Amino acid sequence: DAGITQSPRHKVTETGTPVTLRCHQTENHRYMYWYRQDPGHGLRLIHYSYGVKDTDKGEVSDGYSVSRSKTEDFLLTLESATSSQTSVYFCAIGSGSNYGYTFGSGTRLTVV
Amino acid sequence: DQQVKQNSPSLSVQEGRISILNCDYTNSMFDYFLWYKKYPAEGPTFLISISSIKDKNEDGRFTVFLNKSAKHLSLHIVPSQPGDSAVYFCAASATGSQGNLIFGKGTKLSVKP
Repeated sequence: DAGITQSPRHKVTETGTPVTLRCHQTENHRYMYWYRQDPGHGLRLIHYSYGVKDTDKGEVSDGYSVSRSKTEDFLLTLESATSSQTSVYFCAIGSGSNYGYTFGSGTRLTVV
Repeated sequence: DQQVKQNSPSLSVQEGRISILNCDYTNSMFDYFLWYKKYPAEGPTFLISISSIKDKNEDGRFTVFLNKSAKHLSLHIVPSQPGDSAVYFCAASATGSQGNLIFGKGTKLSVKP
C-alpha cells in the first residue's frame, strides 16, 4: 500500500539464524505494528511501537524483538529463527486511535 | 481465550445474492469494530467500521450491523460479486488500547458466478 513498504517480500532462512524484517512508512504515523498471519489463527499482534524507541509486546512476542530508531522505520528481529516462525508477517501503521490502520503487503518467511 | 470469534471458516454464495459474515466478541470494553478484506499475497485492506454508539453503518454494497447486547456483529454484502471473493477479518479495539486491533481468524468468502 502506498506509504508503507515491507522488505524483503520473501525470505528463506535456516533454523537458528537471526532474521530482520523491515517496515518503512512515509506517512509520519506515530504507531506501527507487527502482526503474523497463520492458517487457523488469523492475525496476531507481535509487537507495536507508539513512538521512537517506545515499543511494547503483543500477544505472541516470544522469540521476537523490535526496534524503532526513527519514525519511519520499524524493525522486527527473530533472534534465532525456528520452524514455528514460518509465517506471513504484516506491518501496519496507524494514528493510535480506534480507527484502524493500514497494512503493508507482507513478508513471507520460511524457516527450514 | 479468543476475544473476537469468526466461527465460519468459509462461506460460498451465488453472485447477486446476499453474503452475511458473522463475528462475535467477548470483551465488553471493545467500542470500535472494523472489517478488513484480504486477497491472496496482499495485505489486509480496510472495508468498513462501526462505533459502539451505532447499530448500523452502510457504505455502498456493504453494511455492518452491531448488536451490543449479544456482542455480535455482521457484515452484509448485497449484491455479492465475484470480486468480493476474499478472506474477511473482523477486528475490534477499545479506547485507550493505543489502537491495538484484535482480529478474528477470518472467513473465506467465495462468490460463484
